Amino acid sequence: AQSVTQPDIHITVSEGASLELRCNYSYGATPYLFWYVQSPGQGLQLLLKYFSGDTLVQGIKGFEAEFKRSQSSFNLRKPSVHWSDAAEYFCAVVPNTGNQFYFGTGTSLTVIP
Amino acid sequence: DSGVTQTPKHLITATGQRVTLRCSPRSGDLSVYWYQQSLDQGLQFLIQYYNGEERAKGNILERFSAQQFPDLHSELNLSSLELGDSALYFCASSAWMNTGELFFGEGSRLTVL
Repeated sequence: AQSVTQPDIHITVSEGASLELRCNYSYGATPYLFWYVQSPGQGLQLLLKYFSGDTLVQGIKGFEAEFKRSQSSFNLRKPSVHWSDAAEYFCAVVPNTGNQFYFGTGTSLTVIP
Repeated sequence: DSGVTQTPKHLITATGQRVTLRCSPRSGDLSVYWYQQSLDQGLQFLIQYYNGEERAKGNILERFSAQQFPDLHSELNLSSLELGDSALYFCASSAWMNTGELFFGEGSRLTVL
């Protein structure tokens, strides 16, 4: 079945530590890939997106993501986490055969001082 | 500010009632998407409109309906409300019919008592 998987429901990191949030998908050809962030009480904000080309994508707030076709993954990274990064992070996929966004279940990030 | 406006921000109503949620997309965006976010179901796609026409349907109940008006704003109508309909309802807009990126409103929180 087609799906978007974020295997980590909740992650806790110390401020200043590095971060990697995982996302795997099971769609056919390379889909369009997105990472969104949702702060408490807010809507979702786009962090970055991948359509084609360079597999390492830079986004806002110092985030980056790497598309790995062989692993069907699009993991989100940040070298040094700030307390303000505490939020819910969603991976999303748009299959190139359609137009619907499919969201993962989200990863909740807690940042400790 | 994403440019997507949703009203009301909060709504409390009783079971069996009907409510209407309103969404104004970003200026120039032709696509409007509706999502339901609840703790146990995550972010669920409900329906998409493009330039006034229904484009895609997701997990939308028959008790729910939506439309997009000529001025491109959209309304989501929820009727015969049940306790389980309590959720955060997001509207998102996009410039394109397919792909592109979604810009989310801050959501309408519906509580059914």
